[in-house]
Formats: sequence, structure tokens, C-alpha cells
Amino acid sequence: AQTVTQSQPEMSVQEAETVTLSCTYDTSESNYYLFWYKQPPSRQMILVIRQEAYKQQNATENRFSVNFQKAAKSFSLKISDSQLGDTAMYFCAFMRGAQKLVFGQGTRLTINP
Amino acid sequence: DTGVSQNPRHKITKRGQNVTFRCDPISEHNRLYWYRQTLGQGPEFLTYFQNEAQLEKSRLLSDRFSAERPKGSFSTLEIQRTEQGDSAMYLCASSLGEDTQETQYFGPGTRLLVL
Repeated sequence: AQTVTQSQPEMSVQEAETVTLSCTYDTSESNYYLFWYKQPPSRQMILVIRQEAYKQQNATENRFSVNFQKAAKSFSLKISDSQLGDTAMYFCAFMRGAQKLVFGQGTRLTINP
Repeated sequence: DTGVSQNPRHKITKRGQNVTFRCDPISEHNRLYWYRQTLGQGPEFLTYFQNEAQLEKSRLLSDRFSAERPKGSFSTLEIQRTEQGDSAMYLCASSLGEDTQETQYFGPGTRLLVL
């Protein structure tokens, strides 16, 4: 069974700083997808970024980028120029094929003014 | 294009009562997923559908839980004889289900409180 671990329960940074959230996973599969989802307080889960395991190039979406290390089974999220609206729970998730998502425990990120 | 919608958004019930939640996926999404999220935790998979076929059920889905997607569009999740441990956020997600479009899009969730 696949597992996803987020070792940082909470993080806090000042606005405009860069912050990196960690995620490790365990799988014997070679083809899979990895995701970072954001869940703002009392609001719905939204996709931040996704990475296909067969792609060596790290995904980027504006201020969000990942560091995907397949051999180490590591998938960290970097948020550059953090904004107050980035305050949320962030979940790392693993998916094999078009099947269920396996989520980590989440990291509560607070951006301070 | 409207997103995934869920109704009701909140439900308070007494232990032993039955409850039913509805999920309307993004149109033309043929896969639909149900997850449960307890406070401070990541969502846990319950079940998913490809069109009207239920393809996988988690062992978390006890006999008191049943899910349907009769016409391959909306889905319902029913919990019979609710228990206090059923209190959670129930999330629905949908995806196209094609190889290159596997991203799941989530609804706002239904928050259940069992008294």
C-alpha cells in the first residue's frame, strides 16, 4: 500500500518570503502522479500543482514549484514570494493511474503580514 | 463550467438516524470519488465510480454506508444508523478519467455532525 508522509505539521513565514513544504512517499510503482492540494480555512480543496512521475522536469505554476526526487521518493513544494492568501492546509497526495488519491496528514501554513 | 457541487453543506443529526448526501460532478467527468476527512487530517478514500459502476470500496466503508451513481451523473452517499464516529467532512471529487487528465476536482464538502 502506498503511504504519504508530511513531516511538518505547521509552518509560519512572513509575507514575501519563500517557504518549502516537505513530502515523502512510499510505493513500488514506477508510473504514478503526485499532487499538492491547498485547503484554505473553511473553503474547498483546490489543486496547486501536479507532477507525472515519468517526467524528469519539475513542474511549476507561477509562484509554485516542486522538487521531485523520484529515487528518494521525495516531492517538496516551494512557494516563492508568499502572499497572505497562501495561508491554508497543504496536502501532498499520490495517485496510481486514474484511481484513488492517497493523502498525507497535511501541513498548516500561515503567512504573516 | 460549474465545479463539483455537494448538498447539503452541513448536516446535524442524532445518533441512529439515516442521512444522505448528494454530489454533482463536473459535467462530462465520468469518474466520481468520495472521501472522508476528519478534523486536522488528510482525506481518506471511501469509494469511486466509473460512470455508474462502483469500481472500488475502502474497508472504511462499513455495511452502514452505501453509495450509488444510478445514471452515471450525480451520486448519493447514504449512512444508516449514524454513529458519533461518523462525524466528519465528506468530500466528493470528479475527474475526466482519461489517461492524461487524471486530476481530481473537489467539491466544498458536506460537514456531518452526529449528536
